[in-house]
Amino acid sequence: EVQLVESGGGLVQPGGSLRLSCAASGFTFSSYAMHWVRQAPGKGLEYVSAVTSNGGSTYHANSVKGRFTISRDNSKNTLYLQMGSLRAEDTAVYYCARSADSSSWFLGYWGQGTLVTVSS
Amino acid sequence: DIQMTQSPSSLSASVGDRVTVTCRASQGISNYLAWYQQKPGKVPNLLIYDASTLQSGVPSRFSGSGSGTDFTLTISSLQPEDVATYYCQKYDSAPRTFGQGTKVEIK
Repeated sequence: EVQLVESGGGLVQPGGSLRLSCAASGFTFSSYAMHWVRQAPGKGLEYVSAVTSNGGSTYHANSVKGRFTISRDNSKNTLYLQMGSLRAEDTAVYYCARSADSSSWFLGYWGQGTLVTVSS
Repeated sequence: DIQMTQSPSSLSASVGDRVTVTCRASQGISNYLAWYQQKPGKVPNLLIYDASTLQSGVPSRFSGSGSGTDFTLTISSLQPEDVATYYCQKYDSAPRTFGQGTKVEIK
């Protein structure tokens, strides 16, 4: 069974940093692109970041470019999102997601999410 | 960047009604479109990919159509458990943008 478990969320002050982790199990982690999607309270889904299966290529939305960095450790089956220069508008539930199959970019599996709150 | 626009933003329909949600891309994306369902308080769930392919386990009352710039999600007979917000997503290339969502409620 595919499992994605996010951790690392919490309350952080504006300008602060946080690192989210997503522990993956139940599949060959190194075969799939991985993604971060966020959802601000009461709002829609926003596609944040993605990384290819070998970590060689990454994507970041303009809203987080230069502040967030996606990475992965295939030896640990773990996806990361390093978040810096955090702003109030980064407050959201952050979901880790896996591509549906090894050659696709739509999202077949989602974690339960971790809440990040940016506030003083 | 290609923008994804859903309509309507919300709708209310009776049980058994046929419900249609539209997603329009600002440029052509071939059939690289997915639909997700997010029930209240729950994680999004993949319904349809490649514009019209039903994900395994999804009830057959859901269907998708379209190509290029105009896409449709149809629920042939609305059920109480279909109360949710539905999102489209393009995945032809980055950015793999979501639509703003369509909230479906029971009248």
